[in-house]
Amino acid sequence: EIVLTQSPATLSLSPGERATLSCRASQSIFIYLAWYQQKPGQAPRLLIYDASNRATGIPARFSGSGSGTDFTLTISSLEPEDFAVYYCQQRSKWPLTFGGGTKVEIK
Amino acid sequence: QLQLQESGPGLVKPSETLALTCTVSGGSISSGTYCWGWIRQPPGKGLEWIGSVWYTGITYYNPSLESRVTFSVDTSKNQFSLKLTSVTAADTAVYYCARRYCSNDVCYFFDYWGQGSLVTVSS
Repeated sequence: EIVLTQSPATLSLSPGERATLSCRASQSIFIYLAWYQQKPGQAPRLLIYDASNRATGIPARFSGSGSGTDFTLTISSLEPEDFAVYYCQQRSKWPLTFGGGTKVEIK
Repeated sequence: QLQLQESGPGLVKPSETLALTCTVSGGSISSGTYCWGWIRQPPGKGLEWIGSVWYTGITYYNPSLESRVTFSVDTSKNQFSLKLTSVTAADTAVYYCARRYCSNDVCYFFDYWGQGSLVTVSS
């Protein structure tokens, strides 16, 4: 199965700062990667699909990039509601797999 | 607005069968434009895909769970269901149902999720 490794595990930043989250795949997944945001007690929310496409209603401060094995989620300027856990997920091969998550916390 | 709602027992005894149902409202489960999935999350941990099912009954399961899991679809009730046999404490998790959009035989990512149902395995 394809293993997704997210780094860092925790990112401590202040509101207004830029967040850069990484997801690395164990083999090429082309562009078939999504990013989700999860807040405590809530279901994940789709942010980015196929590496760089924002899902419906997602603010422009969220952007995704990458292809092959290396992907990045960037939040250009953190808003208070952006502090959460972020997961990547691949759809290139069965079984679908998720990364272990990056927690973005308030510094 | 599409909504998904998980239902089922919150407590299951070890070695017994976990059974959950996802009821879809605001859209038809029979549309070939979507497939439906189950994902779980142990307390304080990450997400694990359990499997996906189409309204036709075609299924894909995670190999790590394949020997114990079965999905079914009831189009008349707009529901799909999960059964997981021989559960242990390791199966304690929040179980989510979710939808994937499909087009031209390609299915994308989970764009709608249920709120999740906590299932605890304990005697």
